[in-house]
Amino acid sequence: QKEVEQNSGPLSVPEGAIASLNCTYSDRGSQSFFWYRQYSGKSPELIMSIYSNGDKEDGRFTAQLNKASQYVSLLIRDSQPSDSATYLCAVKEGYSTLTFGKGTMLLVSP
Amino acid sequence: EAQVTQNPRYLITVTGKKLTVTCSQNMNHEYMSWYRQDPGLGLRQIYYSMNVEVTDKGDVPEGYKVSRKEKRNFPLILESPSPNQTSLYFCASSPYPEGGANEKLFFGSGTQLSVL
Repeated sequence: QKEVEQNSGPLSVPEGAIASLNCTYSDRGSQSFFWYRQYSGKSPELIMSIYSNGDKEDGRFTAQLNKASQYVSLLIRDSQPSDSATYLCAVKEGYSTLTFGKGTMLLVSP
Repeated sequence: EAQVTQNPRYLITVTGKKLTVTCSQNMNHEYMSWYRQDPGLGLRQIYYSMNVEVTDKGDVPEGYKVSRKEKRNFPLILESPSPNQTSLYFCASSPYPEGGANEKLFFGSGTQLSVL
């Protein structure tokens, strides 16, 4: 059984700070990694995908992948109250379907 | 507008009364999937379909049926609902079932099901 682990939170950060969200996965064959954001009562939406070791930046978001440590993270710079949501880590191996973590709730206080 | 449409948005039913939750996508996606989301358990896959007439079980298929007779539609059927199927259900589709640099799941707006 593939496992994707996330701290459930909530992770509380003040506005303007860097939020760091972490995710570990059990399947060493995993090749594709995703971060989805889910606002309360809404459906998940993709915000970042990463496939190679290292960092990938998109605006205020940076995804970091370390396959040797089986670790993927999401950094949100200059956090805003509108970033308050649950962040879901998802992992995929080859042609298999996505396995989601349980999500980390982020609260950004003004 | 490109979208995944689920109906109904809310559904309250009683144990044993058959129901169908519909899902339709207008993006010509090959891959479609159903998830349920429960507090503390996250998103768990129920069934998925790689193409018309091709379906497969996910992690929690018991008590559910699906069919994929047309590319755009992927209904979820509960033949005899039970209270433990009370959950938030999401349908999703993707154009890249075999992976790809731009792989992305498009989710419907969800169906909140309560089985009494």
